[in-house]
Amino acid sequence: GEDVEQSLFLSVREGDSSVINCTYTDSSSTYLYWYKQEPGAGLQLLTYIFSNMDMKQDQRLTVLLNKKDKHLSLRIADTQTGDSAIYFCAEILGDTGRRALTFGSGTRLQVQP
Amino acid sequence: DVKVTQSSRYLVKRTGEKVFLECVQDMDHENMFWYRQDPGLGLRLIYFSYDVKMKEKGDIPEGYSVSREKKERFSLILESASTNQTSMYLCASREIGGNTIYFGEGSWLTVV
Repeated sequence: GEDVEQSLFLSVREGDSSVINCTYTDSSSTYLYWYKQEPGAGLQLLTYIFSNMDMKQDQRLTVLLNKKDKHLSLRIADTQTGDSAIYFCAEILGDTGRRALTFGSGTRLQVQP
Repeated sequence: DVKVTQSSRYLVKRTGEKVFLECVQDMDHENMFWYRQDPGLGLRLIYFSYDVKMKEKGDIPEGYSVSREKKERFSLILESASTNQTSMYLCASREIGGNTIYFGEGSWLTVV
């Protein structure tokens, strides 16, 4: 079945690295996503990774995928107060043509000055 | 840039009212989606449409219906609003086979 799990809350100090974790249950996931939601706003796509990749880096963001353990993580280097938001992990299964994303519950990241 | 527009950001409706939430996208995407977001539950899929006049139920379709008469517009309908439908509603779109799903800004609905 489809199930994506995340911890609900993470607090870090400004300048530290943040690591947000996600586990999923369906091994047929083809793409895995990280979205950011700032207060009162919609979802902004941060990055995504194809399931045959182990790692993807984009500026301060690093995504690690461990397919064996069905574990996805998002690392934010040099975390800033502007990174405070809710971060959602999501997966899409199989053929993307007619499929929707399945989301985790979201991790609220609080960055303390 | 892709733009997904939800016409109503904040609505307050009475129990039993019929409610329409409208969503328009400007990139000729085939796929459109309606999610609701509740604290601690993440986003749950209500309905999606993979083309004009085509629709499929998502995970929580009860109490909702949808309409897709034109490619750019996907409407979510609450036939008789109830207080447990108070939530944030997010519309999204994607081109068929595409990897990226684009979201609107959300519609906050309060049913009193």
